[in-house]
Amino acid sequence: DGGITQSPKYLFRKEGQNVTLSCEQNLNHDAMYWYRQDPGQGLRLIYYSQIVNDFQKGDIAEGYSVSREKKESFPLTVTSAQKNPTAFYLCASSWVQALAGELFFGEGSRLTVL
Amino acid sequence: DAKTTQPTSMDCAEGRAANLPCNHSTISGNEYVYWYRQIHSQGPQYIIHGLKNNETNEMASLIITEDRKSSTLILPHATLRDTAVYYCIVRAKNNAGNMLTFGGGTRLMVKP
Repeated sequence: DGGITQSPKYLFRKEGQNVTLSCEQNLNHDAMYWYRQDPGQGLRLIYYSQIVNDFQKGDIAEGYSVSREKKESFPLTVTSAQKNPTAFYLCASSWVQALAGELFFGEGSRLTVL
Repeated sequence: DAKTTQPTSMDCAEGRAANLPCNHSTISGNEYVYWYRQIHSQGPQYIIHGLKNNETNEMASLIITEDRKSSTLILPHATLRDTAVYYCIVRAKNNAGNMLTFGGGTRLMVKP
């Protein structure tokens, strides 16, 4: 079945460690996105990529890094520079064409920094 | 993209219609209205979108007022599984990359 797979679902890390969250899609979508969600809040855009080897900062990119070496993969690294990394992280993908509009989301990765 | 305003929470009895309002008074002519929902601890799910005509699909109906300053998402026969946070989003037709800005949404509680 086509879809987006995020891993791991739950992750615990010590403060100061870098963490990489995986996001893979087999929908042949050009664009991929990373959002962060804090308890009781909406989603905030971290990074997005519309094409392989290119990505753009979203609203809250500080302390995060991404890569887009393959169309189907868009991993997110939460670095030690991120002040409050504990959150629910959501990856999404879509067609690039502006008329499409529909984002397909993964099931999320919940990161807890101890 | 235009900002939206939604009630923080709503209740609905199982089997009844759930009507979720959204105000988007600063919407411009090329902006679509999108609805997504998020069940607890899952990724958001697309429901429906529209420009100015009312829309219906297998999940819901979207009613947009004539002046397009507000809209209502209707779940015709709510079930317990419709309990979720519902997000109303306004996005320009030429918004590069399909970036969506999610606000706080409406927490719908469907009760038996």
